[in-house]
Amino acid sequence: DTEVTQTPKHLVMGMTNKKSLKCEQHMGHRAMYWYKQKAKKPPELMFVYSYEKLSINESVPSRFSPECPNSSLLNLHLHALQPEDSALYLCASSGGAMAYEQYFGPGTRLTVT
Amino acid sequence: AQKVTQAQTEISVVEKEDVTLDCVYETRDTTYYLFWYKQPPSGELVFLIRRNSFDEQNEISGRYSWNFQKSTSSFNFTITASQVVDSAVYFCALSGTGGFKTIFGAGTRLFVKA
Repeated sequence: DTEVTQTPKHLVMGMTNKKSLKCEQHMGHRAMYWYKQKAKKPPELMFVYSYEKLSINESVPSRFSPECPNSSLLNLHLHALQPEDSALYLCASSGGAMAYEQYFGPGTRLTVT
Repeated sequence: AQKVTQAQTEISVVEKEDVTLDCVYETRDTTYYLFWYKQPPSGELVFLIRRNSFDEQNEISGRYSWNFQKSTSSFNFTITASQVVDSAVYFCALSGTGGFKTIFGAGTRLFVKA
């Protein structure tokens, strides 16, 4: 099973809402990632979890809060977002230990109104 | 600092033509990893290949081939006999020592016309 799943597929939220994006993988991978991708741009790394610990935070605003409840799950909690946060949010996982190729989920398309 | 440059923004070819996508990278790490990903219109990035810095062997997989040259810091991708299904955005990416922090190039949008 080489699938990474993400829910929801689409999300529209107001600037005062609180919502969460969810990501799940069952490949036994030990690293999980959140990326943000704007239209016609490459993915931008936001966070990396390695063995359920936050390994990289690319100076992401605190209105984005990641959580890794276990090795298969990754959440991204959203609060007080701005319209410019509208983007495709991609989750990925990798096996680590020199197997750094990443397997991506289909993404959540987020619109902040 | 690490950098990946994909100078070709868009390429348009007719089906069955061969096409090469260029990728030039910069890194000070002695150990690093290079990748190619495909992003079709559906949006999901698909891993195509990984190359380690200590392995300059070129690779062929079906209609796809990759040419890694450390001397010119390039990792080019060729599609032979292109097909309409190859239409997508292709990203070249680089991870340094440690591997987790991945830098993507700007991407090359490939259009294959029937």
